[in-house]
Amino acid sequence: AQKITQTQPGMFVQEKEAVTLDCTYDTSDPSYGLFWYKQPSSGEMIFLIYQGSYDQQNATEGRYSLNFQKARKSANLVISASQLGDSAMYFCAMREGGGGSQGNLIFGKGTKLSVKP
Amino acid sequence: DVKVTQSSRYLVKRTGEKVFLECVQDMDHENMFWYRQDPGLGLRLIYFSYDVKMKEKGDIPEGYSVSREKKERFSLILESASTNQTSMYLCASSPGLFPYEQYFGPGTRLTVT
Repeated sequence: AQKITQTQPGMFVQEKEAVTLDCTYDTSDPSYGLFWYKQPSSGEMIFLIYQGSYDQQNATEGRYSLNFQKARKSANLVISASQLGDSAMYFCAMREGGGGSQGNLIFGKGTKLSVKP
Repeated sequence: DVKVTQSSRYLVKRTGEKVFLECVQDMDHENMFWYRQDPGLGLRLIYFSYDVKMKEKGDIPEGYSVSREKKERFSLILESASTNQTSMYLCASSPGLFPYEQYFGPGTRLTVT
């Protein structure tokens, strides 16, 4: 079974609008971390935002926020006020376990976001 | 600033050749990783290392080996390249501290003909 599921292979959003990219995960470990990465056409993976399983508040980083719903096992990325430069592939990833796990990440298959002018 | 570099952005090799992909990080990170990325499959972990001379198999180690002689350098080796190893290869590093976010290099697009 997939541990990270991104159900939207591709999405379009109008410039300046907000967009939500979906991510659901599957783990029985009580301690885990969730990450979002952006991959522009240049190929480099850029770390965007992190949410820990014990964090009480949703993570935010500038225009990025993570809508963490623990009971539903979802960790959706919200991008506010989309910009043309947000056009990229977006990957959701999970790390299971706390300290000592060496930080192995499990990645979803990605969502391609296209921002329309 | 965080920096992970990979020796080549594009590489073309022939079937049966031995191929070396080099990755260097300047952040003194303990952990280093090699992934391959294929359309529709996301990133798949080939090997990782959490210390010098230490290595662990990831999800798809077959056909690959790795070397980590120094903390900052992690090499991926294709002993005898095959066409099904044509892919994008991404190297990453992470500190040995929570939350273990990974920092990626620019990737190497390898074509095996």
